Amino acid sequence: QVQLQESGPGLVKPSETLSLTCTVSGGSISSYHWSWIRQPPGKGLEWIGYFYYSGSTNYNPSLKSRVTISGDTSKNQFSLNLSSVTAADTAEYYCARARTLGVPGPPYMDVWGKGTTVTVSS
Amino acid sequence: QSALTQPPSASGSPGQSVTISCTGTSSDVGGYNYVSWYQQHPGKAPKFMIYEVNKRPSGVPDRFSGSKSGNTASLTVSGLQAEDEADYYCSSYAGINGYVFGTGTKVTVL
Repeated sequence: QVQLQESGPGLVKPSETLSLTCTVSGGSISSYHWSWIRQPPGKGLEWIGYFYYSGSTNYNPSLKSRVTISGDTSKNQFSLNLSSVTAADTAEYYCARARTLGVPGPPYMDVWGKGTTVTVSS
Repeated sequence: QSALTQPPSASGSPGQSVTISCTGTSSDVGGYNYVSWYQQHPGKAPKFMIYEVNKRPSGVPDRFSGSKSGNTASLTVSGLQAEDEADYYCSSYAGINGYVFGTGTKVTVL
């Protein structure tokens, strides 16, 4: 049973870079796609992007200029870096596995971590 | 890309059915049969409930069903139970733009 756990600073200053890590257990990141999704307080979900173990990535166009998602197979972890943050980036951040269930078809976010709260404030 | 439009709330009594709509455009919902639905209880992570419009992952009760017509997808919860009270989000594949989520619907079991 694959499990995901987010970790990282809970408080980030404006204009700095938000960095989070997702540790995967019960499965290898050398398969499937691995995603980040966020949810501002009291609001809906927003897909940030994903990376595939081969190294390819796909990002939300609205965040693309500030986002990098990468993986470390030696640690079975993948990471999110979001630069030049503002208060609008305050949110619960989730990591998730994305798996293709139909052939052909895109991957679906089927297993999620519990989330981590990030506040952007000076 | 704009969020898919869902009604803010929906409700039903135990045993009844409730249907939630999810309206997008021809670039997302209308362009692909890759709509999924997620259930989120307060303070919890979303749970994967439906994929490819109407398919259920293993373990999801058959009380949950999905459909799509044009640019609008729908989730129906039949035989409502107290544990179904939660927020529900649709999501659609949007091609090169990745994925877009809906605005969310709070389902209340009366």
